[in-house]
Amino acid sequence: KAGVTQTPRYLIKTRGQQVTLSCSPISGHRSVSWYQQTPGQGLQFLFEYFSETQRNKGNFPGRFSGRQFSNSRSEMNVSTLELGDSALYLCASRPGGGSYEQYFGPGTRLTVT
Amino acid sequence: DQQVKQNSPSLSVQEGRISILNCDYTNSMFDYFLWYKKYPAEGPTFLISISSIKDKNEDGRFTVFLNKSAKHLSLHIVPSQPGDSAVYFCAASAPGGGADGLTFGKGTHLIIQP
Repeated sequence: KAGVTQTPRYLIKTRGQQVTLSCSPISGHRSVSWYQQTPGQGLQFLFEYFSETQRNKGNFPGRFSGRQFSNSRSEMNVSTLELGDSALYLCASRPGGGSYEQYFGPGTRLTVT
Repeated sequence: DQQVKQNSPSLSVQEGRISILNCDYTNSMFDYFLWYKKYPAEGPTFLISISSIKDKNEDGRFTVFLNKSAKHLSLHIVPSQPGDSAVYFCAASAPGGGADGLTFGKGTHLIIQP
């Protein structure tokens, strides 16, 4: 089975712009979660989508949003970018239901200048 | 407040010896624990997990031990190999994934010396 894929892998944006990141989960996985990794805060949970519905959300401002499509692919959007949004954004998928193990993609490295 | 703590930022072990990575947690609601391994420029790779109803889970060279009363878990790698050099993250989940997804520690950089 193909793993989780994320596009683009690298992105450079300017403060104030917005950005959209994309994630394709493992085939058959219905849950997609997003995480932000920074050197200071480590890996932090952003939100989880299951069957096109946001189920859980971490402690991030409303500038961070996402959605999931009927084929389970997910997008994450960050509006009005700030320098502190520079991070590695990781997408993870799991089958859903009672499974806990999440399988991560390679991440998108976002740099805000 | 960090709910999952990995107090050793780095650990150096000789090839062939045992590597022991430690993790402590504070949230009693956590009922499932996972270990991930991460190489630079890659996403974390799932290694092994354990449910709170068990105290040990083994998979090849990797064994995870859980001490619920101490809110402590550890990952043992025996024998350690050069390819094990990576950052290891401990993660925890409340029932059903919880309201906060997986909660991660900040990682331990394991270096296997030849």
